This record gives sequence, C-alpha cells and structure tokens, in this order.
Amino acid sequence: DTEVTQTPKHLVMGMTNKKSLKCEQHMGHRAMYWYKQKAKKPPELMFVYSYEKLSINESVPSRFSPECPNSSLLNLHLHALQPEDSALYLCASSQVRISNTEAFFGQGTRLTVV
Amino acid sequence: AQTVTQSQPEMSVQEAETVTLSCTYDTSENNYYLFWYKQPPSRQMILVIRQEAYKQQNATENRFSVNFQKAAKSFSLKISDSQLGDTAMYFCAFMRLTQGGSEKLVFGKGTKLTVNP
Repeated sequence: DTEVTQTPKHLVMGMTNKKSLKCEQHMGHRAMYWYKQKAKKPPELMFVYSYEKLSINESVPSRFSPECPNSSLLNLHLHALQPEDSALYLCASSQVRISNTEAFFGQGTRLTVV
Repeated sequence: AQTVTQSQPEMSVQEAETVTLSCTYDTSENNYYLFWYKQPPSRQMILVIRQEAYKQQNATENRFSVNFQKAAKSFSLKISDSQLGDTAMYFCAFMRLTQGGSEKLVFGKGTKLTVNP
C-alpha cells in the first residue's frame, strides 16, 4: 500500500466556517507534511510532523491548525479562512531516515473559501 | 537557503521523441536528494526519479533518466520515447535533512510539458 488518502477531495466553505482536512497513510511513515498549492504554482510547505510532533511551521497563520493524532493520521483544522486561502492542499508522507527517502503525495483537497 | 530554478515554463515534444527538462539548484550542503515529480491534471504529485547527491552515477527509470552535474548544481531530466501520458507539469525538487531530523522538499516553479500526437 503506497497510498496517501486525503478527504474530502473538494471543499467549499464560508469565511466563518470551521472545517477539517484529513490525511491518512498506512506505509509506516513517521514524517507527514501539509503543502499549499496555488494554481500554476509549485507546492509550498506549510507544516512538517516528525514522529507525531510538529517539527516545522513555515510561519503559517493561526487560522490553519495542524494535528497529528497518531502515526497514520494528519489533520488540518481550518477556521476563519480568507478567500486568498483558496488553493489545493496536498498531504505527503515519507520515512524520516535519510537512507531511504521519498515523499508520497495524496491527490489533494481543492479548497474554495467564499 | 536552498533554491531550485526551472528556466523553461513550458515545453512541447512530439510523441516518440526525446525531450530534456532543465533544473539548477543552489545549496551549500554536501548531502541532499534531488527529485523530479510529475503532476498530471489529476493533481497527484507522482515521483518520476530521484538522485542521491553522494552517488556519481546518474539515476535511470525506464524512459526517464537524469544528468546530474554536482559541481555545476544541475539536474536535468531526459524523457525518451515520449508518450501522450507524459503530458503534465514537472517539478524539480531538492530535499535536505533539517536540524530536527525532518526532511523538507523545496520545489522549482515547474515546467509544463505537452506531448503532441
């Protein structure tokens, strides 16, 4: 199983809503990532979890709140978003060991903030 | 800080022909990894090929091969016998190990490749 599963695939939310994005993998990876990708741009790193602990926060606004409840699951909680937050949100996972490293990506959640 | 530069925003190639996508990067580190990822319209980022910086031999995966020039900090992707399914955005990416033990991928801006029948 080399899949990273993201749900939902599409999400439309109002600026006052609270929603969550979910990411799941069963490859035994202990590093998990959230990326944000605007149209026709490369993915930009938001957060990295290593062994279920937040290891990198790329100065992301607090309206994005990540959570890693266990080694297979990564959530991104959204609250009071702005229209400019509309983007494709990609989750990825990888092994932490540098000897065998490849990041597997999910298909993303297309988020639209109205 | 590491940067990855892809100087070709768009490229096209005829089916069955060969095309080379360029990538240069800037880093002061000696140990790192380089990747080419493909993102078709389905949106999923798919790993095409990877190269460890400590390996002198260029990586090859079927029709895909790289020309890794460490001194020049160049990492180009060659696609042989191009197929219609190769049409996608291609991202060059650099990975380093951070102090916390995590790995951080830095992407170039991408090259949109179109394979024409």
